[in-house]
Amino acid sequence: EIVMTQSPATLSVSPGERATLSCRASQTIGSNLAWYQQKPGQAPRLLIYAASSRPTGIPARFSGSGSGTEFTLTISSLQSEDFAVYWCQQHKDWAPLTFGGGTKVEIK
Amino acid sequence: EVQLVESGGGLVQPGRSLRLSCAASGFIFDDYAMHWVRQVPGKGLEWVSGITWNSDKIDYADSVMGRFTISRDNAKNSLYLQMNSLRVEDTALYYCATDRHSSGWSYFVSWGQGTLVTVSS
Repeated sequence: EIVMTQSPATLSVSPGERATLSCRASQTIGSNLAWYQQKPGQAPRLLIYAASSRPTGIPARFSGSGSGTEFTLTISSLQSEDFAVYWCQQHKDWAPLTFGGGTKVEIK
Repeated sequence: EVQLVESGGGLVQPGRSLRLSCAASGFIFDDYAMHWVRQVPGKGLEWVSGITWNSDKIDYADSVMGRFTISRDNAKNSLYLQMNSLRVEDTALYYCATDRHSSGWSYFVSWGQGTLVTVSS
């Protein structure tokens, strides 16, 4: 099983600032990584797939980078609606699909 | 608009069974593999099971292998999860989600709002 580790667990950021979230895989996964955003009481929402691609409708301030075992989600200028929990997920192996432990982005 | 609506959750005693359903609309259901993902409230996400578009490949997390059965009915645009021998640790919000692909596992494009399963005596 591929273990995904996210850091930090909590990130305190002021609105308008940049946020950088990290995700590490226990073995190489190429670019088979997705990022999700989850707000309280809501289901997760796909933000990034294939490590750096944005689905239609996701704002350009969200960007993903990395390959192999190290990945980064960057939010260039935090808006009030971006304060949430962010999850990374690998899909290199068919099973099991695994998620990181999450990073909570909170208002500083 | 893609809609996934889960149902069938509730309070159940350990050792009993429950069947979850997910009604899909707004997309061509049999173009996509489907999954169940669960989340203990306030905790992390755990993939539970996946099924390809024609049910020819099915996978389970080790934690539910042998107890849970995933299935789908493409004629009814519906996904199911039969949960037997339920344990306290199965308590979670269960989401159904669409895969990007039809015949393999990748990432979860759309999610339902979840149905809560509580296993307690």
